[in-house]
Amino acid sequence: GQNIDQPTEMTATEGAIVQINCTYQTSGFNGLFWYQQHAGEAPTFLSYNVLDGLEEKGRFSSFLSRSKGYSYLLLKELQMKDSASYLCAVKDSNYQLIWGAGTKLIIKP
Amino acid sequence: IAGITQAPTSQILAAGRRMTLRCTQDMRHNAMYWYRQDLGLGLRLIHYSNTAGTTGKGEVPDGYSVSRANTDDFPLTLASAVPSQTSVYFCASSAGPGQGADTQYFGPGTRLTVL
Repeated sequence: GQNIDQPTEMTATEGAIVQINCTYQTSGFNGLFWYQQHAGEAPTFLSYNVLDGLEEKGRFSSFLSRSKGYSYLLLKELQMKDSASYLCAVKDSNYQLIWGAGTKLIIKP
Repeated sequence: IAGITQAPTSQILAAGRRMTLRCTQDMRHNAMYWYRQDLGLGLRLIHYSNTAGTTGKGEVPDGYSVSRANTDDFPLTLASAVPSQTSVYFCASSAGPGQGADTQYFGPGTRLTVL
């Protein structure tokens, strides 16, 4: 079967750095996405990785290792507005997105 | 209209009633999707359409139907609602399979409660 695993909840301090991990087992791989979802709102696109390595976009970076079936989202200089759920999703061989259950990130002052 | 809109925002429905959730996008995207999101679970694909005139079944299609008469609209119909269909429903759209990253963009969601 297909499976995306990520921690259910994480807590971090304002101004700090946090890494949210995602491991996957899917039938085929056509890219990995990270989305941010604030409570009661729609998911919004953060990043896309299809090749191994690190993609940096401002305070957010995303890393992919296809051989390990592993990705992480790195958030730097945490702000209170970063409190949200972070969703990992993999595009499989049918070009459909398989979604993890999301990681709820709590930022404390 | 900018992006994707969904209607209604929320709805309380009696079991056994028929309900259509509406979704419209103005980005001229080829592909559209319907997901449901339940607490503790990832987004689950109900139905999708890669282009106007075609539809396909996702992971959890039972009890739902869709149509794609044109590029912009992708309504989701519950023929006879049951309490297990209580969920938040998201519509999304993308350029289409094989078109670069083919990033999906989401509407604001419809919160549906079936009693």
